[in-house]
Amino acid sequence: QKEVEQDPGPLSVPEGAIVSLNCTYSNSAFQYFMWYRQYSRKGPELLMYTYSSGNKEDGRFTAQVDKSSKYISLFIRDSQPSDSATYLCAMSGNTGNQFYFGTGTSLTVIP
Amino acid sequence: SAVISQKPSRDICQRGTSLTIQCQVDSQVTMMFWYRQQPGQSLTLIATANQGSEATYESGFVIDKFPISRPNLTFSTLTVSNMSPEDSSIYLCSVGSGIGELFFGEGSRLTVL
Repeated sequence: QKEVEQDPGPLSVPEGAIVSLNCTYSNSAFQYFMWYRQYSRKGPELLMYTYSSGNKEDGRFTAQVDKSSKYISLFIRDSQPSDSATYLCAMSGNTGNQFYFGTGTSLTVIP
Repeated sequence: SAVISQKPSRDICQRGTSLTIQCQVDSQVTMMFWYRQQPGQSLTLIATANQGSEATYESGFVIDKFPISRPNLTFSTLTVSNMSPEDSSIYLCSVGSGIGELFFGEGSRLTVL
């Protein structure tokens, strides 16, 4: 079983839609949860960072962590064509030095 | 966050040659990481580079193939030696904040013919 599972998509939505991206994980020791956005031919950009359970909101983006279900989500409201990218989830344990990544979900927002 | 610069951004190399990728960070960091990203796959950690000590390699990666230098707290290099087409990939330098965040450079896209 992989440490982190992420649906690779691809996901295609119309502009303005609400997008939901998800990852599941198996290691209950994970404490730090991250979402990265990666445009084509670019490095991953840290989009959202959450410690332990709960929600975090930043503009149109909301990250949710449900540790009881070992499930994390990223919601994008009012999606824009500029949101078209691959989104990677990542997580690490208490040391914050060993990271586990999903395979990424490819998102296309159609104008 | 840290600003991470990688060179080269891309290169096309011949089989059997070696390429050195440079990574420069705008602040002093203790731990630097080198990842490989292949299409459709998760990021794979190659090694962790600490200043003043030997790099720590992950299973499946060896120093002879991927020698790493870490001469100071802002710079590291990764060499891909005796390249084969299977080494074609994106190589990413990254640094950790120490509190769970990880920041990446733009990546070096390597194609081996």
